[in-house]
Amino acid sequence: EVQLLESGGGLVQPGGSLRLSCAASGFTFSNYAMSWVRQAPGKGLEWVSAIGGGGGSIHYADSVKGRFTISRDNSKNTLCLQMNSLRAEDTAVYYCAKTLYGGVDYWGQGTLVTVSS
Amino acid sequence: QSALTQPRSVSGSPGQSVTISCTGTSSDVGGYNYVSWYQQHPGKAPKLMIYDVNKRPSGVPDRFSGSKSGNTASLTISGLQTEDEADYYCCSYAGTYIWVFGEGTKLTVL
Repeated sequence: EVQLLESGGGLVQPGGSLRLSCAASGFTFSNYAMSWVRQAPGKGLEWVSAIGGGGGSIHYADSVKGRFTISRDNSKNTLCLQMNSLRAEDTAVYYCAKTLYGGVDYWGQGTLVTVSS
Repeated sequence: QSALTQPRSVSGSPGQSVTISCTGTSSDVGGYNYVSWYQQHPGKAPKLMIYDVNKRPSGVPDRFSGSKSGNTASLTISGLQTEDEADYYCCSYAGTYIWVFGEGTKLTVL
């Protein structure tokens, strides 16, 4: 059974940093691209970043480029998102997502990030 | 990376059919056969309903179907049931490990 378990969310002040992690199990982690998708309170889904199975292909949404860094450790089946220079508009539930070209087939339960003073 | 355009809301009665549209550009929806649809109930994670434009994951009822014409994709739900009431999002691959979601559509089953 595929499981994705996010952690690391919380309350942070504007300009601060936070590191999200996602522990994956139930599939061959290194064979699949992974993404982070976020959802601001009462708003729609927004793709944030994706990384290829081997870690060599990485892309970001324009809204986070230069501030967020996605990474993965295939030896530990872990996906991470380092978030710096956080803004109020980054407040959202962040989902870890197992990603195919044709769509996200598995989602984590999400972790809430709140940016506020 | 502009969001794909979806109607804000649609509605239908139990047993009826509804179609939700998702309009993008030749750089995303029109350029790839990689459109997916997600159902999201309040407070829950999204659930994959359709992938690769028209394929259903195991366990998704065949009442859900997908199609695409040019830059517009569509999700059709036939034989509406009360449990289908939820938010629905489309998503398209846009090249070089970039994906774009739709704005979301609230489906009300009257």
